[in-house]
Amino acid sequence: GAGVSQSPSNKVTEKGKDVELRCDPISGHTALYWYRQSLGQGLEFLIYFQGNSAPDKSGLPSDRFSAERTGGSVSTLTIQRTQQEDSAVYLCASSPRGGNSYEQYFGPGTRLTVT
Amino acid sequence: GENVEQHPSTLSVQEGDSAVIKCTYSDSASNYFPWYKQELGKRPQLIIDIRSNVGEKKDQRIAVTLNKTAKHFSLHITETQPEDSAVYFCAAPYSSASKIIFGSGTRLSIRP
Repeated sequence: GAGVSQSPSNKVTEKGKDVELRCDPISGHTALYWYRQSLGQGLEFLIYFQGNSAPDKSGLPSDRFSAERTGGSVSTLTIQRTQQEDSAVYLCASSPRGGNSYEQYFGPGTRLTVT
Repeated sequence: GENVEQHPSTLSVQEGDSAVIKCTYSDSASNYFPWYKQELGKRPQLIIDIRSNVGEKKDQRIAVTLNKTAKHFSLHITETQPEDSAVYFCAAPYSSASKIIFGSGTRLSIRP
């Protein structure tokens, strides 16, 4: 079946502009995660959605970052007033259940470059 | 706090030798410990995981061991091959939130 998809695959934006990154999880997966990966670095947790529960936003680095998940499926990560330090690959992952015992399936990522 | 420490950050081994990567977690409630492999330019993929009710799990050349008392878990790769070259990440969930926190990664290089 279809895996996790993300769009766009690449995004170049000017400093100060807003961007929206999209994630389409695997159908039926109730858990959805966003991570950020800077060049050669690890996976930085940003936000976690589980079913209809309130999302865990504890990883968002500033109030310029926000995310939504509509209808328990598609998610959008929005970065307002982008800064150069926001440049990174943004990875989305979905899981059939919460993080306690189930595999995460990652999307191909969106490479964001802020000029 | 919510933290997963991973060591070493880089590891180079001769082809055919073994590689060991270690992680430490802080939440005693964590009960699931996956390992992901990320090849250059690709997305992370699960290679093995372990639940807290067992101490060791093997899958061909890969094994994971868990010491709940010490809050340590390790990845062991035996008879390393060139295709094992990649970045490896450990991870652990945190408390009732069940969010997955990743270690900082280990870049493994296999020397021919």
